[in-house]
Amino acid sequence: AQSVSQHNHHVILSEAASLELGCNYSYGGTVNLFWYVQYPGQHLQLLLKYFSGDPLVKGIKGFEAEFIKSKFSFNLRKPSVQWSDTAEYFCAVNQGGKLIFGQGTELSVKP
Amino acid sequence: GAVVSQHPSWVICKSGTSVKIECRSLDFQATTMFWYRQFPKQSLMLMATSNEGSKATYEQGVEKDKFLINHASLTLSTLTVTSAHPEDSSFYICSALPGQGVNTEAFFGQGTRLTVV
Repeated sequence: AQSVSQHNHHVILSEAASLELGCNYSYGGTVNLFWYVQYPGQHLQLLLKYFSGDPLVKGIKGFEAEFIKSKFSFNLRKPSVQWSDTAEYFCAVNQGGKLIFGQGTELSVKP
Repeated sequence: GAVVSQHPSWVICKSGTSVKIECRSLDFQATTMFWYRQFPKQSLMLMATSNEGSKATYEQGVEKDKFLINHASLTLSTLTVTSAHPEDSSFYICSALPGQGVNTEAFFGQGTRLTVV
C-alpha cells in the first residue's frame, strides 16, 4: 500500500528565509501528488498538485514543488517565507481516488 | 472553485448518544466522497470511501457499525458516530471528488470538531 513520509515535523524559520519541506512516497507507479496547507483554525486548502507533465509545479502564494520520480520525492519549496505562511503542511498522494496523507509538517515563521 | 460544506462545524454530545455529520458538495456532483479523521497535531487518516448508491468502503481498523456512512445523493454524504465515547472525540473531515475519474482534485469541507463528554 502507498505511504507518504514527511521528514520534518516542525520547522521554524525567520521571515525571508527559504523553505524546503521534504515528502517521499513509497509506490513507484503513476502517481498524483498534492500539497495542502491548513492554517490555524481553518480547513485544508490545496497549494499545488502534480498529475503529469512538467515535474516542476508552481502553486499559489509563491510555493512550488518538484516531482523527482527516481527519488520518489515531491518536495515543497518557497524562496522567501512570510509570517503568514505559518501553518501545517500536508503532502498527499492519490491512491485510486483517495488521498493518503503524510504526517504533516508544522511551519512556524518568526517575524 | 468547488465548495464542500460540512455541518455542523462543531458538536458536543454526551457519551452514549449518536451524532450525525453532513457533507455536501454545493456546486458539483460527487459520486465519491471520503471521510477522514484528524487527531490533534496528527495527520488525516482516511476512514472510509463513500460511493453514491452503494455501501461505503471502510479502511482497516475502522468499525463500520460505529461509523455509519450514507451517500444517498450525488451531493450529500453523512457520517453518523453511533454510541459515541470520549475516545471518538476528534476532527472529522470530508472531501468530495467531482466527476468519475481518479485524476481529479478532491475538495475538502471545513471539518467538524466532535467532543464527547
